[in-house]
Amino acid sequence: DAGVIQSPRHEVTEMGQEVTLRCKPISGHNSLFWYRQTMMRGLELLIYFNNNVPIDDSGMPEDRFSAKMPNASFSTLKIQPSEPRDSAVYFCASSLMGGGNQPQHFGDGTRLSIL
Amino acid sequence: GNSVTQMEGPVTLSEEAFLTINCTYTATGYPSLFWYVQYPGEGLQLLLKATKADDKGSNKGFEATYRKETTSFHLEKGSVQVSDSAVYFCALDQRNDMRFGAGTRLTVKP
Repeated sequence: DAGVIQSPRHEVTEMGQEVTLRCKPISGHNSLFWYRQTMMRGLELLIYFNNNVPIDDSGMPEDRFSAKMPNASFSTLKIQPSEPRDSAVYFCASSLMGGGNQPQHFGDGTRLSIL
Repeated sequence: GNSVTQMEGPVTLSEEAFLTINCTYTATGYPSLFWYVQYPGEGLQLLLKATKADDKGSNKGFEATYRKETTSFHLEKGSVQVSDSAVYFCALDQRNDMRFGAGTRLTVKP
């Protein structure tokens, strides 16, 4: 079975550039989550969607970050303009929405480096 | 709000040693509890879960029991292997509000 697919696996770009991270959730899953992981702050939830609708974006650090889910099989996380402090590993996860006992399935992450 | 507190690492053990990683939680009601494992360069993977009090989750020799009276979900393994070296995350989920602990890095030496 295909898991959560993220692309690219690695991204290196200069500050000020726009960065777009992509995620394909597991087919049939109706919840999608974006996380950021750093050594200093650990794993942080940025935003999550239920049935393609953003439910909680309180973790999005600032207006430079935006996320969309145009359909059930695709989501993007965009940073514009990017800054060196955005360097981190970004994970996408999906799950079945169902009363809180459904595990999340994670992709392998995008390692982002902003120079 | 809901939260998870887990034992700070890093933890270093010799092969075949006994492992305990403590996890306690704060929540209203009855959350589901999870342990996830993250190997280098990979995303988190579900290790085990428990959905109600006194349930025991188990997988790959790891176990954790949902203790409502102590609001705990400690992870244990009787004999660790080098391949268990990873970062372990305790988590709770209540009505799709998932909270993760800070993670505990385990290194097992041969």
